[in-house]
Amino acid sequence: SQQGEEDPQALSIQEGENATMNCSYKTSINNLQWYRQNSGRGLVHLILIRSNEREKHSGRLRVTLDTSKKSSSLLITASRAADTASYFCATDAQGGSEKLVFGKGTKLTVNP
Amino acid sequence: SAVISQKPSRDICQRGTSLTIQCQVDSQVTMMFWYRQQPGQSLTLIATANQGSEATYESGFVIDKFPISRPNLTFSTLTVSNMSPEDSSIYLCSTLARRRNEQFFGPGTRLTVL
Repeated sequence: SQQGEEDPQALSIQEGENATMNCSYKTSINNLQWYRQNSGRGLVHLILIRSNEREKHSGRLRVTLDTSKKSSSLLITASRAADTASYFCATDAQGGSEKLVFGKGTKLTVNP
Repeated sequence: SAVISQKPSRDICQRGTSLTIQCQVDSQVTMMFWYRQQPGQSLTLIATANQGSEATYESGFVIDKFPISRPNLTFSTLTVSNMSPEDSSIYLCSTLARRRNEQFFGPGTRLTVL
């Protein structure tokens, strides 16, 4: 089964800096989603990027997708202390499966 | 996006007992999913719950341990049976925003088994 892998596993930056997290996966996908989780609470949906899209923006978030390399990146610009959280990528499978496979996540700490 | 609530938000249970977690969605949805997140780990899909049919379990999860009900299009329950400390996890339900293929999650139930 496919599995997303994020790197780095942990990232610590100062407020105002940009944070980049990467995700790799193994099989073909329909789309890839990024989520945020604060302190072991529920997941907040950030952005979905489809397999025919290369880049997507939402506020301070920028997501790229390279299907040839089976990888995606999440960039958070001008980070804030409130961005401190774990970030997960999740992929589904072509063939219409709605099941998601999650990566291991990146724990981001933004220091004030 | 769908608004999803879960009850209880957290519980501490004794070994050998069972806990039923409820998931309520504010709109009718076809598919609901149950995930487990063990401490410090990522999410793993337990099963897919469709209304009117048996839940479909992923490898490593069985109905006797995690029975699921799906009585209507807005509600589902997951029971964690005969609990052991290894069942201590966050359990999350989710559903699809069909038109956009986005999957939304409930706030989770943090379970601690002593």
